[in-house]
Amino acid sequence: GEDVEQSLFLSVREGDSSVINCTYTDSSSTYLYWYKQEPGAGLQLLTYIFSNMDMKQDQRLTVLLNKKDKHLSLRIADTQTGDSAIYFCAERAGSWGKLQFGAGTQVVVTP
Amino acid sequence: DGGITQSPKYLFRKEGQNVTLSCEQNLNHDAMYWYRQDPGQGLRLIYYSQIVNDFQKGDIAEGYSVSREKKESFPLTVTSAQKNPTAFYLCASSISRDRGEGNQPQHFGDGTRLSIL
Repeated sequence: GEDVEQSLFLSVREGDSSVINCTYTDSSSTYLYWYKQEPGAGLQLLTYIFSNMDMKQDQRLTVLLNKKDKHLSLRIADTQTGDSAIYFCAERAGSWGKLQFGAGTQVVVTP
Repeated sequence: DGGITQSPKYLFRKEGQNVTLSCEQNLNHDAMYWYRQDPGQGLRLIYYSQIVNDFQKGDIAEGYSVSREKKESFPLTVTSAQKNPTAFYLCASSISRDRGEGNQPQHFGDGTRLSIL
């Protein structure tokens, strides 16, 4: 199957920017997603990007997509302690809603 | 408010027992999914259903069973054949199999944590 890869851990100081990276393998991916999971909870959809875009900004979140390198990143500006969570990237695999998820990046925000 | 409800939040299973996890959605979504999450790991797909009365095995279906008799409901049974059931189980849904190439994010419930007694 197709693989989505993420680094496992990121530590960032409060107020700094966080950048979470993801690589995917399916060149036919149409939509790519970022989800946030807080401890003991389900996944919350943060944002998404369509494959014909290379950037999308949504308040403190900026998604960058490099289709040539199959690289996706999520930048969180002015990181807060409430941003501490696991972040998953996912690619849409096929013509309907089935998604392929990465293993998640644990983000820890320190004061 | 529309959403996905999973119950119970915590569940304990005895040896040799089958247990059923509930997942209900009122988003009018056609597709529903079950994932298993182990500590420090990502999501693994157990079963998915694109439409009522139809479902497909995911990557780790052995020891699990599902049914999809109603659009709103997609219960997961963890059978006694699943020898290592301790995990966090997540249910999700997405809008429509007929949406084609349009945006189809998955929406998640809050999960059920299953442990062995």
